Amino acid sequence: NAGVTQTPKFRVLKTGQSMTLLCAQDMNHEYMYWYRQDPGMGLRLIHYSVGEGTTAKGEVPDGYNVSRLKKQNFLLGLESAAPSQTSVYFCAEGQGGTDTQYFGPGTRLTVL
Amino acid sequence: RKEVEQDPGPFNVPEGATVAFNCTYSNSASQSFFWYRQDCRKEPKLLMSVYSSGNEDGRFTAQLNRASQYISLLIRDSKLSDSATYLCVVNQASGTYKYIFGTGTRLKVLA
Repeated sequence: NAGVTQTPKFRVLKTGQSMTLLCAQDMNHEYMYWYRQDPGMGLRLIHYSVGEGTTAKGEVPDGYNVSRLKKQNFLLGLESAAPSQTSVYFCAEGQGGTDTQYFGPGTRLTVL
Repeated sequence: RKEVEQDPGPFNVPEGATVAFNCTYSNSASQSFFWYRQDCRKEPKLLMSVYSSGNEDGRFTAQLNRASQYISLLIRDSKLSDSATYLCVVNQASGTYKYIFGTGTRLKVLA
C-alpha cells in the first residue's frame, strides 16, 4: 500500500516545452487534487477531480490541464511551460467533503 | 485580508518547552479544520483534525474558537523531532469543497 505516488520527482524544462505529471493512488478514493507550493505562499489548488472522468478548476488553473481517465490516476499537463510555473507540485487524494487529504511526495519542477 | 493567516515564525524554542501557534480564518462558514506538519522538502502530513470540543493527541492539543475564528495548536515538552513547518488548513466545504492552506509557521526546537 504505497498511498500516493508521483512521477517524476524532479524535472527541468525549457520555456515552451510540455510535460505531464502523473499521480497514482491505491486507496480507491474518489477525490484527487493537484496543488502547487511556492515560497511564502500556501498550497494553491490547480485542478481537482471528484471521480473518474470528472475534473474541475481550482484557484490557479491557467496554463495547466488535467485528466482522470482511471480512478487511480490523475494527470497534470503543462502545455507550454513558463518560468512562472517553476514550483513544487503536490498531488493529494481523499474521500472528499470535510475529509482529510493525503499528499504525495511532490514533483520539483524548474522551468528555465 | 488572507483567508487563513498564520505567523510565519520562526519560533525557536529549547527542548522541553511548550509552544503555541494560532491561526485565524476569515470565512465564518468554514466547516472543518486541520493541522498538517511539513518537513523541509517533504509533503504535508496530517497532524490532527481540530474539533469544536478541542482534542488532544499525546503532547499535541488543538483548539477551535468559532466565535473568534481561530484555531490553535499547543505542543508540550518539545522534541528536536518537532522541528518542522505547521500548516493550518480550513475547509470551507458547503456543497462544494474548498480547502484553504495557511502559509505555515516554522518551528525550530533547539538542543
